[in-house]
Amino acid sequence: DADVTQTPRNRITKTGKRIMLECSQTKGHDRMYWYRQDPGLGLRLIYYSFDVKDINKGEISDGYSVSRQAQAKFSLSLESAIPNQTALYFCATSDSYTEAFFGQGTRLTVV
Amino acid sequence: TQLLEQSPQFLSIQEGENLTVYCNSSSVFSSLQWYRQEPGEGPVLLVTVVTGGEVKKLKRLTFQFGDARKDSSLHITAAQPGDTGLYLCAGHSGGSNYKLTFGKGTLLTVNP
Repeated sequence: DADVTQTPRNRITKTGKRIMLECSQTKGHDRMYWYRQDPGLGLRLIYYSFDVKDINKGEISDGYSVSRQAQAKFSLSLESAIPNQTALYFCATSDSYTEAFFGQGTRLTVV
Repeated sequence: TQLLEQSPQFLSIQEGENLTVYCNSSSVFSSLQWYRQEPGEGPVLLVTVVTGGEVKKLKRLTFQFGDARKDSSLHITAAQPGDTGLYLCAGHSGGSNYKLTFGKGTLLTVNP
């Protein structure tokens, strides 16, 4: 089993719909992150959490919200999806500055 | 906001050639990481460099951290088709709030 698991792997949704992307990890790490990847723009940080009670906005948090349900679970929600939120979304975890572990990504298409 | 500029954005070479990818910033980073990402997968860490001037080797890959800790390079010797992928540099600015800033990546294609 993967250390960082994202569900779903692929999702097509309509404009205006609410959608949740889920992430779970078995690494035992406190720190969890949500990134968005677009062609030519690299990885951009949406939200990050250093423990269950600590949630922080990243550089592109508008239109997104998160929930840290437990140390191992961190979900990302799009309250009202719009087409420019079509992207590849990655969850990551870390316990220090030495390495971030990424999930396999969720490809989201908003039509 | 700290920015990392990677160059070139795209690189297509023949098997056996050497190449260098650059990662530059105007900011100082306490450490810098290089990741490789294959299609359909998340990035995977290749190396972390921490000390200014540090050089690390991973088989045919050589990583260098600039003396001022503002830049880094990745050199691949005798590239192989299996080296094809997106190479990302990421910097950590230090402190207890661990947050990585990523460059936009270099997409490398090694043709047989």
